[in-house]
Amino acid sequence: IAGITQAPTSQILAAGRRMTLRCTQDMRHNAMYWYRQDLGLGLRLIHYSNTAGTTGKGEVPDGYSVSRANTDDFPLTLASAVPSQTSVYFCASRGPGYGYTFGSGTRLTVV
Amino acid sequence: GQQVMQIPQYQHVQEGEDFTTYCNSSTTLSNIQWYKQRPGGHPVFLIQLVKSGEVKKQKRLTFQFGEAKKNSSLHITATQTTDVGTYFCAGLKNTGNQFYFGTGTSLTVIP
Repeated sequence: IAGITQAPTSQILAAGRRMTLRCTQDMRHNAMYWYRQDLGLGLRLIHYSNTAGTTGKGEVPDGYSVSRANTDDFPLTLASAVPSQTSVYFCASRGPGYGYTFGSGTRLTVV
Repeated sequence: GQQVMQIPQYQHVQEGEDFTTYCNSSTTLSNIQWYKQRPGGHPVFLIQLVKSGEVKKQKRLTFQFGEAKKNSSLHITATQTTDVGTYFCAGLKNTGNQFYFGTGTSLTVIP
């Protein structure tokens, strides 16, 4: 089934630890995105990539990094997790002229 | 700050009543998209509006794009319990290539 796969589904992480959230798509979309969703704040863009080999900063990029080595994969790394990064993280992709396709999300708790 | 404002934040309706959520931008939008997120799920693309004054319908859902392309609305006629969830708008500015999501309207339908 075409779509976006995110892993892990959920994670409890000790503050200060490094963590990579994985995202893979099989739709050959050029554009990919990482959002965080917090109650009352909607979806906020962390980083994006318009095509393989390029990345850009969104609204809330601090504390996060991404890479886009190929079209299919777009991992998000938290170098040193802090409690304020507790959130639900959604990876998404978008084909030209279409809406976003979202993954099922990763629920991250930093303690 | 929030690029796209959405109201209300929460709405409780009796099953069978109508429901409307509004999306407003201070700048002109190139197009606007609407998404639905079921509780515990991920956002799912519903529709995209591009033309000034455009109206589209999906069964009991009516989507409208304002004449000035600065606002949009989603109206649900005769709500059902299956309509429960959070509805997001996402606007694309004329000058950019990133969609900005509204904060969402959480709809509860009381049987």
